[in-house]
Order: sequence, then structure tokens, then C-alpha cells
Amino acid sequence: QKEVEQDPGPLSVPEGAIVSLNCTYSNSAFQYFMWYRQYSRKGPELLMYTYSSGNKEDGRFTAQVDKSSKYISLFIRDSQPSDSATYLCAMSAVRGGADGLTFGKGTHLIIQP
Amino acid sequence: GAVVSQHPSWVICKSGTSVKIECRSLDFQATTMFWYRQFPKQSLMLMATSNEGSKATYEQGVEKDKFLINHASLTLSTLTVTSAHPEDSSFYICSARSQIGTGERQPQHFGDGTRLSIL
Repeated sequence: QKEVEQDPGPLSVPEGAIVSLNCTYSNSAFQYFMWYRQYSRKGPELLMYTYSSGNKEDGRFTAQVDKSSKYISLFIRDSQPSDSATYLCAMSAVRGGADGLTFGKGTHLIIQP
Repeated sequence: GAVVSQHPSWVICKSGTSVKIECRSLDFQATTMFWYRQFPKQSLMLMATSNEGSKATYEQGVEKDKFLINHASLTLSTLTVTSAHPEDSSFYICSARSQIGTGERQPQHFGDGTRLSIL
């Protein structure tokens, strides 16, 4: 069993829809959770960083963590074509990912105009 | 801010050649740099962690004699794939972590990766 499971998609939704992206993990040592966005031929860009169960909101993005279920989510409201990218979940046992990050495979998201 | 430059972006070379990849933090000093590898349809996998001025720490299964890492300054780390073979063909990407701030203010900033193809 992989440490981090993430559906690779592709996930295709119409513009304006709410997008839900998810990851599950098996290692209870993970305490810090991140979502990265990666455009084609570019490096991952940090979107959200969370370290406690619950919700964290930043503009159109909401990150949700449920440590009891080992499940994290990223919600995108009012999705735009420019949100089309691959979204990677990442996690670490050490604050700030000082020990390196464990990634999911990434979900390829397509927002249809 | 927080720009990481990785060079080259794409390299094709013959089997047996050694290839060097550079990772530079352009506008911040990086205490720690990380090297990841990604095979097709797989997740980014951490290969090694390098701290400026000390030996790199390699993940289990990564050959340290094959993947030489040098972190000579706070802004530069290099990965050399020695005597590369076709099975080393992959996407290699580095990240750098600022020495300033804690937790969320110290995220990993990624380069754009190097696609390595060994013929």
C-alpha cells in the first residue's frame, strides 16, 4: 500500500463548478499537509499549508484535514480555466517539510470554459 | 520572490555519460535543498536531502555513489548522475527551503525540473 493515495484523474468540470480533490494516507506520523499546483513543464507551486484538523481558507481555495480518517481535501470554488493544472498533495512528519515531502501522484484537473 | 532555477531543463545523452544538474535559489538562501525523481505516472519521490556544507542524506534504495550531490553554498546544489544508463531516464526536480522563518514561512520552493533521457 502506497503511503499517499491520490486519484490521478483526469477530472473535468465546467467553469464555475466547485472542485473537490482528495488524498488519503496511511502513515499517522504525517502532521503537516500541503497542496501544490503544477502547470505543464513547470515546478510545483505551493497553494496551501495546514497542520491541524479542520478547514483553512485562502480566497477560492479551502484545505480540509481529517487526521482521524487520514484524509485531506482541497476545494476550489468558482473554478476558472486557469485552474487547469495538476494538483499534488504532499505531507511531512516534520514542520515545514524539513525532512522532505511525500507526494501523491497528482490529480490532473481540466476546467472547461 | 523565492525563485529556484534548475538547469538544464532537458538533456539527452548516451549511456555511460555523467550528467550534472544544477539547482540555484536566486533570491534567498537555502539551508536545505532536496532532490526528487519522478517516473511516468508515478509520484515525486524524494531521493536525497542536502544541507549546505555537509554530506547529503540519501533515501533508502538510492545509490549515493551513482547520484552525487554537492551543496557547496547556500544558493547552489548539484546532482551528478554518474555513468547514466537508460533506467536512470526520469524527471529530476529540486527544491530549496529558506533558512528564514518557521513552518509555513519555510515551504519548499521547486525548480522546473530536468527531463533526463539516456539513450
